[in-house]
Amino acid sequence: NAGVTQTPKFRVLKTGQSMTLLCAQDMNHEYMYWYRQDPGMGLRLIHYSVGEGTTAKGEVPDGYNVSRLKKQNFLLGLESAAPSQTSVYFCASSFRGRNTEAFFGQGTRLTVV
Amino acid sequence: AQKVTQAQTEISVVEKEDVTLDCVYETRDTTYYLFWYKQPPSGELVFLIRRNSFDEQNEISGRYSWNFQKSTSSFNFTITASQVVDSAVYFCALSETDSNYQLIWGAGTKLIIKP
Repeated sequence: NAGVTQTPKFRVLKTGQSMTLLCAQDMNHEYMYWYRQDPGMGLRLIHYSVGEGTTAKGEVPDGYNVSRLKKQNFLLGLESAAPSQTSVYFCASSFRGRNTEAFFGQGTRLTVV
Repeated sequence: AQKVTQAQTEISVVEKEDVTLDCVYETRDTTYYLFWYKQPPSGELVFLIRRNSFDEQNEISGRYSWNFQKSTSSFNFTITASQVVDSAVYFCALSETDSNYQLIWGAGTKLIIKP
């Protein structure tokens, strides 16, 4: 079972470059999330989606955009990468919202130089 | 102010010792959910438990147990007879009505089990 798959797993960007992180889930979950994890800070929610075609801002949305054109996919875009966006990014999905467990991808380690 | 506090940044014990990871939360909601996740060195986050605010019964799953006390706003996690494979970062998280669909995460406790 694939669960939640993130691509790529590692990436190095130069300041100002753009990229898209892809998250795919095969569990038919309605809810999907993008988090970033920084040392000593736990996870912080960037954007989330409660269903196909919907997106909403989380705690730290600035500098990121998302799209959920298909139920199984949730894309995270960085239009102009900055060193402050160096982080580990996690995608997650859940069947329902806040009261159900989330399943996480393996993470994407992004370095912006 | 921190809504989920994991005061122990790092704990190191010898294999077979018992260890308790603390989690203190803050919320005004009467209905909320608490979670524990494990992040082993490989990096993925693994769900361990979910508890709703109306269920104060302690939970035991093998060597793992959780103590939920609303009176002290704590949801502590104990590993009995620890093993090297328990080495990981453990996160406590809170989901409350006001946070919509967000999970509010603690900073995590790094647990090191020495052989």
